[in-house]
Amino acid sequence: DADVTQTPRNRITKTGKRIMLECSQTKGHDRMYWYRQDPGLGLRLIYYSFDVKDINKGEISDGYSVSRQAQAKFSLSLESAIPNQTALYFCATSDSGQGAEYSGANVLTFGAGSRLTVL
Amino acid sequence: AQKVTQAQTEISVVEKEDVTLDCVYETRDTTYYLFWYKQPPSGELVFLIRRNSFDEQNEISGRYSWNFQKSTSSFNFTITASQVVDSAVYFCALSGGSGNTGKLIFGQGTTLQVKP
Repeated sequence: DADVTQTPRNRITKTGKRIMLECSQTKGHDRMYWYRQDPGLGLRLIYYSFDVKDINKGEISDGYSVSRQAQAKFSLSLESAIPNQTALYFCATSDSGQGAEYSGANVLTFGAGSRLTVL
Repeated sequence: AQKVTQAQTEISVVEKEDVTLDCVYETRDTTYYLFWYKQPPSGELVFLIRRNSFDEQNEISGRYSWNFQKSTSSFNFTITASQVVDSAVYFCALSGGSGNTGKLIFGQGTTLQVKP
């Protein structure tokens, strides 16, 4: 099984519908992230969470919300989907080790992606 | 503000050619991390390398090598003797500050096509 699992992998929906993308991980990492990929724009951070009680907005949080149900689960919701939210969405995790020499610092493990199309 | 620029949108080479993917970054942080990720046609993102801002040593891993130059704010990636399996989108990314935040700023990506 994958370390970071995203469901659904593909979803087509209509404008105005509520959509939830789910992410679960077996890495044991404290930190989880949602990124969005658009052609020509790279990946942009939507929300991130450093532990169950910690939720933070990223660069492009408008129109999205998240829930950290457990250390291993982090879901992304679109309350009322719109066509410009059509994109490839990635969940990622990282651990919380500190120190400049820590080799894992800021290294993200990504899920396989969830392709969302809003018509 | 932090920024990562990958000026090459698409590169096409013939198998066995060497190819260099350019990455230029902007940051005011004195401590930061630079990354390269690979996204093959299957879509997943694969971590390739992380480099600390205070470590300017170049790195070689098999056919892959990375050249980090703080003087030009560049972190270029070279594939030697390219293979068809190297065909992918490659992303350069930056994480600012000395902390471990996981908040990466990605470049636009460079699509590499290696033809047989």
